[in-house]
Amino acid sequence: DIQLTQSPSFLSASVGDRVTITCRASQGISSHLAWYQQKPGKAPKLLISAASTLQSGVPSRFSGSGSGTEFTLTISSLQPEDFATYYCQQLNTYPIAFGQGTRLEIK
Amino acid sequence: EVQLVESGGGLVKPGGSLRLSCAASGFTFNSHSMNWVRQAPGKGLEWVSSISGDSNYIYYADSVKGRFTISRDNAKNSLYLQMNSLRAEDSAVYYCARGGIKVFMYDYWGQGTLVTVSS
Repeated sequence: DIQLTQSPSFLSASVGDRVTITCRASQGISSHLAWYQQKPGKAPKLLISAASTLQSGVPSRFSGSGSGTEFTLTISSLQPEDFATYYCQQLNTYPIAFGQGTRLEIK
Repeated sequence: EVQLVESGGGLVKPGGSLRLSCAASGFTFNSHSMNWVRQAPGKGLEWVSSISGDSNYIYYADSVKGRFTISRDNAKNSLYLQMNSLRAEDSAVYYCARGGIKVFMYDYWGQGTLVTVSS
């Protein structure tokens, strides 16, 4: 089974900061990786598919990159509404796996 | 507008059963794989099960294999999860999520339904 490891697990940052979250897969998954944002009490929201394709309606300050085993989600300039938990997901092979999550909090 | 609405959650005793439903609207249901993902209180997301549009391909997480059954009724635009032999560790919010077409992703999610397994 493929495991995903996100780092960091917790991130404290300020409005306007540039932040990067890393997701590492235990084996190659091509570009079959998605990123989700989840706010408390809400369902996850798809941000990025295929490692780097920004979903319609998602602000351009979000970007994704990577392939194989290492992937990144970058937020170029944090906005107040970006403080949430972020998950990566591999869809290359069953069983599907999620990373453990990165909680992004306001400094 | 794509909508996914889960129902059927509740309180059940260990060893009991529950059937979750997900009513879909706003898209061609049989064109999409469908998925169940759960989230225990305060924990991360855990994939549970997936079913292809024609029901020919079905997958389960090891943690639920042999106890849970995923199914769908394309005529009713509905997805189901039959959960048997429930355990305390199955307590979670259960989300249904739509799979993408040709792109690997879960692009729409329901609001979730809470399952609590407790005596």
